[in-house]
Amino acid sequence: EPEVTQTPSHQVTQMGQEVILRCVPISNHLYFYWYRQILGQKVEFLVSFYNNEISEKSEIFDDQFSVERPDGSNFTLKIRSTKLEDSAMYFCASSEGSDRGQPQHFGDGTRLSIL
Amino acid sequence: AQSVAQPEDQVNVAEGNPLTVKCTYSVSGNPYLFWYVQYPNRGLQFLLKYITGDNLVKGSYGFEAEFNKSQTSFHLKKPSALVSDSALYFCAVTRTSGNTGKLIFGQGTTLQVKP
Repeated sequence: EPEVTQTPSHQVTQMGQEVILRCVPISNHLYFYWYRQILGQKVEFLVSFYNNEISEKSEIFDDQFSVERPDGSNFTLKIRSTKLEDSAMYFCASSEGSDRGQPQHFGDGTRLSIL
Repeated sequence: AQSVAQPEDQVNVAEGNPLTVKCTYSVSGNPYLFWYVQYPNRGLQFLLKYITGDNLVKGSYGFEAEFNKSQTSFHLKKPSALVSDSALYFCAVTRTSGNTGKLIFGQGTTLQVKP
């Protein structure tokens, strides 16, 4: 069964540094998402992306965050200047369509640790 | 604002016994409801969804869920639990407006099935 793959599995970065988290969605999927899960808290929506533009973003997704689909397969999340509170598990997800009933398929996540 | 509540942090059940993991939601209009499961160091895995129609929906691995509109609940059930069902379970809802499939998650319930 096709999977969403995320790299790296664990990223350790100094506060203030830029970090790029990478995702390869399922190949025929058109809608892409980033979520994060701070340890012990809920999974929170960050951003959705379709047709090379952001379709929705949460209040967490401020100017420090950006997303990009640089080629036909990768989907990246960039944090420009990381803060301690950015430490979390980041999940990428994709779905075949925008129909709200379409299940999203999640990657295994990238654990981001900010020192 | 839409929200999802999972009132139990942990559910313990003996192998072979039926299990129930509770979920209630608050959303205007007709919700789309989902259950996801997360095994250690893995991403969220889709189990089942309710869109419309029959209030009892069946999903993967023998799980089912019952939609109850009057009680605004969507409890996850399984007639006979397995030790391998031990994992973290998330209930989620999508909004009734907008085109994106942004998922709003509950805080998660740890299911522990003992032999």
